[in-house]
Amino acid sequence: QKEVEQNSGPLSVPEGAIASLNCTYSDRVSQSFFWYRQYSGKSPELIMSIYSNGDKEDGRFTAQLNKASQYVSLLIRDSQPSDSATYLCAVNPGNFNKFYFGSGTKLNVKP
Amino acid sequence: KAGVTQTPRYLIKTRGQQVTLSCSPISGHRSVSWYQQTPGQGLQFLFEYFSETQRNKGNFPGRFSGRQFSNSRSEMNVSTLELGDSALYLCASSLDGAPDTGYTFGSGTRLTVV
Repeated sequence: QKEVEQNSGPLSVPEGAIASLNCTYSDRVSQSFFWYRQYSGKSPELIMSIYSNGDKEDGRFTAQLNKASQYVSLLIRDSQPSDSATYLCAVNPGNFNKFYFGSGTKLNVKP
Repeated sequence: KAGVTQTPRYLIKTRGQQVTLSCSPISGHRSVSWYQQTPGQGLQFLFEYFSETQRNKGNFPGRFSGRQFSNSRSEMNVSTLELGDSALYLCASSLDGAPDTGYTFGSGTRLTVV
């Protein structure tokens, strides 16, 4: 079992819709959770972090964390074609800067 | 503010050779981590350096090594290259080891082993 699991997609949504990206993790003691966006041929860039159960909103992005279910999600409202990228979920198990990354979900936003 | 700088951007090497990759973190960042990214395995943790000391290590063979200098710049070395080492190697810097700030990644070094 991988430490972090994501559906590889592709997830296709029409422009203006809500895109929902999901991630599960195996280590119950994990403390911090991150979402990165990676455009094709580019390096990952940090979108959001979340540490407590519940929702955290930042502009069009909302991260959701449920530690009991070991589940993290990212919602993108009013999706734009520029949001088309691979979204990586990363989990820090509490061991300093050692992160486990999911394999990423490819999102396609169709105009 | 300068970002994370990785050099070179592209490398082509032959099996059996060795290679050294360089990473300069964001000014003030003392933690440098290295990751290997391949289509099949995704992002895999290689090692992390903090104040010139290797603090964490992933599950890679001893052919993969690294070091960090007093100015926080880091190098990664791969000896006796294999075809399977072809990948994007990403360097990531962060503040003093805090796990809650996330990374800033460099642009990566694309290594091709032929």
